[in-house]
Amino acid sequence: EDQVTQSPEALRLQEGESSSLNCSYTVSGLRGLFWYRQDPGKGPEFLFTLYSAGEEKEKERLKATLTKKESFLHITAPKPEDSATYLCAVRDNYGQNFVFGPGTRLSVLP
Amino acid sequence: ETGVTQTPRHLVMGMTNKKSLKCEQHLGHNAMYWYKQSAKKPLELMFVYSLEERVENNSVPSRFSPECPNSSHLFLHLHTLQPEDSALYLCASSQIGLLRSGELFFGEGSRLTVL
Repeated sequence: EDQVTQSPEALRLQEGESSSLNCSYTVSGLRGLFWYRQDPGKGPEFLFTLYSAGEEKEKERLKATLTKKESFLHITAPKPEDSATYLCAVRDNYGQNFVFGPGTRLSVLP
Repeated sequence: ETGVTQTPRHLVMGMTNKKSLKCEQHLGHNAMYWYKQSAKKPLELMFVYSLEERVENNSVPSRFSPECPNSSHLFLHLHTLQPEDSALYLCASSQIGLLRSGELFFGEGSRLTVL
């Protein structure tokens, strides 16, 4: 059974203080690993897809990396507008479901 | 309209009511999903419609009934719900194919409160 865990559950940073969020997964044949951002009361917003170990993708202050067991979302010099819950999900080669982790709630203080 | 739109955004219903949630996708995708998001829990898949096939999570109670009349529209019919069904219901779409990653694109959600 595919599983996704995320840590930490919550993270508070000062503006400009870089950090990383962790997503650990077990999956039988990874089709893709996905990162989403979710603001309160809204639907998740797609950020990145990673397909294989060693792959990296960047968007503004965010950089996602992938190993065979984990993915990291690095946030460089965050701003208060980066405050949100960040969700990680995996999709395997065999089904049509995306298995989501519980998320990391990020707060960036000015 | 662009992306995935859901209506209504907020719904309050009694346990004996019947209501429906509506979702429409404008992305030309071939798969649509219903997810449930409860406080402090990961998103939980309820139903998938893909290439005219329906896949469902066997743990979803029969008081939730999906309908997908075409590849752009998805409904979730609700009847005799329980207070524990109060949650954010998210619709999503994706393009499924051998060479496509199939990222999910979500609507803004329908916040359901059952009294």
